[in-house]
Amino acid sequence: QITLKESGPTLVKPTQTLTLTCTFSGFSLSTSGVGVSWIRQPPGKALEWLALIYWNDEKRYRPSLRSRLTITKDTSKNEVVLTMTDMDPVDTASYYCAHRLIAAPFDSWGQGTLVTVSS
Amino acid sequence: EIVLTQSPGTLSLSPGERATLSCRASQSVSSNFLAWYLHIPGQAPRLLIYGATSRATGIPDRFGGRGSGTDFTLTISRLEAEDFAVYYCQQYGSSPWTFGQGTKVEIK
Repeated sequence: QITLKESGPTLVKPTQTLTLTCTFSGFSLSTSGVGVSWIRQPPGKALEWLALIYWNDEKRYRPSLRSRLTITKDTSKNEVVLTMTDMDPVDTASYYCAHRLIAAPFDSWGQGTLVTVSS
Repeated sequence: EIVLTQSPGTLSLSPGERATLSCRASQSVSSNFLAWYLHIPGQAPRLLIYGATSRATGIPDRFGGRGSGTDFTLTISRLEAEDFAVYYCQQYGSSPWTFGQGTKVEIK
């Protein structure tokens, strides 16, 4: 059974850097074809894909946020970390991590963590 | 980037009724890589349909997906209490992967 859980600060100040960790079980990020993504949902708005990292360390980013995002993995700890720089109140959202295989949808998701950006 | 437009925004129905949700893409979805998710706020989104028509593991057969190219439909044949939620379509055929804005299915 695949499980994922997001963790990180619930409140960050504008201009600060957000660091979120996705801790997972039930799969390995060293297995060919496996990837973990980050997706967010601002209050009352739609889901928005942010970043993805594959087993081979290939990374993909949402083009409009590419300059602010970094995704990394620690295979030994079963963790994926997302950093987002220069946080703004518009970045207030629930942040989710999700498992996917190449050419497949996001088949397992964490419950999400709400991050509020406010001074 | 492929823009997905879902309609209607809200669907008010009674348990036992049939729900039909639409998702239209701004350009053809590669290989019909179109998924549907159910989301109850505060919970993890749940994959229902992938490849436009295939049900994910454990999804009951009252959920059905149809369509190809730019027009897709999710049908729930007989609504049950746990089906009242927000539904999102998503294309995973080309990066950046994108979601529709959602259809809320609420109890009438």
